[in-house]
Amino acid sequence: GAGVSQTPSNKVTEKGKYVELRCDPISGHTALYWYRQSLGQGPEFLIYFQGTGAADDSGLPNDRFFAVRPEGSVSTLKIQRTERGDSAVYLCASSPEGAETQYFGPGTRLLVL
Amino acid sequence: GQQLNQSPQSMFIQEGEDVSMNCTSSSIFNTWLWYKQDPGEGPVLLIALYKAGELTSNGRLTAQFGITRKDSFLNISASIPSDVGIYFCAGPAAYSGGGADGLTFGKGTHLIIQP
Repeated sequence: GAGVSQTPSNKVTEKGKYVELRCDPISGHTALYWYRQSLGQGPEFLIYFQGTGAADDSGLPNDRFFAVRPEGSVSTLKIQRTERGDSAVYLCASSPEGAETQYFGPGTRLLVL
Repeated sequence: GQQLNQSPQSMFIQEGEDVSMNCTSSSIFNTWLWYKQDPGEGPVLLIALYKAGELTSNGRLTAQFGITRKDSFLNISASIPSDVGIYFCAGPAAYSGGGADGLTFGKGTHLIIQP
């Protein structure tokens, strides 16, 4: 079956611009997660959705970061006024309800110039 | 917050050798997960551990959930070239009563196989 998909696979933008990153989870998975991975580091948790609502957004670094999941399936991570320090791989994962094992997408590589 | 410490940071081994790596935490985890990440890809789940003392195998991979619930080990037997990659341990970021939480990851162990 289809795994988690993310688009775009690569995004280059200029400092100060707005970007949207999309995640399409595994069909039927109710939980969706966003992570950020910097070079040489493990993924760092950003936000977690259970259905349409954000159950835990404690990992979002500041108010320039926002995520939505309006219909409980596809999610969009939005970054306003991008900064060079936002450059990283943004990973999305999903899991079935109540499960602790998460399945990751290939990530979006964001480069802010 | 919770931190996971992985060692070694990197390993240079010969094809056919056995590999052992570990992950420790200052706090208790109720679930331990081991992932492998190839360049340009997302992490792929290898093994999940749910009970203290549990020993689980997946082909040539074997992982154990430490009795203290503060550590876990991953072993790879008879390494082959496709084992090259970064291995991460991970666990739920907060105490979980069985539900789903964001994961805390270690910094990874880089496995490099010398020809």
